[in-house]
Amino acid sequence: AQSVTQPDIHITVSEGASLELRCNYSYGATPYLFWYVQSPGQGLQLLLKYFSGDTLVQGIKGFEAEFKRSQSSFNLRKPSVHWSDAAEYFCAVGAKTSYDKVIFGPGTSLSVIP
Amino acid sequence: GAGVSQSPSNKVTEKGKDVELRCDPISGHTALYWYRQSLGQGLEFLIYFQGNSAPDKSGLPSDRFSAERTGGSVSTLTIQRTQQEDSAVYLCASSPWASGSKWTEQYFGPGTRLTVT
Repeated sequence: AQSVTQPDIHITVSEGASLELRCNYSYGATPYLFWYVQSPGQGLQLLLKYFSGDTLVQGIKGFEAEFKRSQSSFNLRKPSVHWSDAAEYFCAVGAKTSYDKVIFGPGTSLSVIP
Repeated sequence: GAGVSQSPSNKVTEKGKDVELRCDPISGHTALYWYRQSLGQGLEFLIYFQGNSAPDKSGLPSDRFSAERTGGSVSTLTIQRTQQEDSAVYLCASSPWASGSKWTEQYFGPGTRLTVT
């Protein structure tokens, strides 16, 4: 069965510091992978997605993520965090080869220290 | 263009009452999801509709929960005999069937905040 883990429940970084949020998935087929962000009181917004091709994908707001098949990972990165990046981040996986539903990870809460 | 809409935005109900939550997906989107998000928690999958296929109801927490999708468009999530633990934000999302690929991202509605007193 599909599963997604986000090992870090909560991360705190200083503004201007780099950020990496971890995501690991388990699925037998080649997955589609997503990162969503949910700002306080806001709905979920897609940051980026990986379907195929270049394993380093660029998203909105300066985020990027790298798909590493050998590690079953899809970690989210940002070189310099802004205070407005404080939010909840969700990794999600969907199967390419079936109608299987998209599965979300438990989320990582990011706090940014000014 | 219009996004996913949900109504009502807020619902307060008494324990034991039935509630209906509505989701209007983006026109033409074949997939529709319902999720539940309790305070400070992640997304809990409830049910998934994809085109004319039988819905995936594997996430429904009890038989008090049901959902339907009429005409492949609007969906209604019904919670019967509500309990206090049903209090949460209920999110709806839809996604299209993209030519050349089987999946694309989900577009989320703003959610319905349900409070059971």
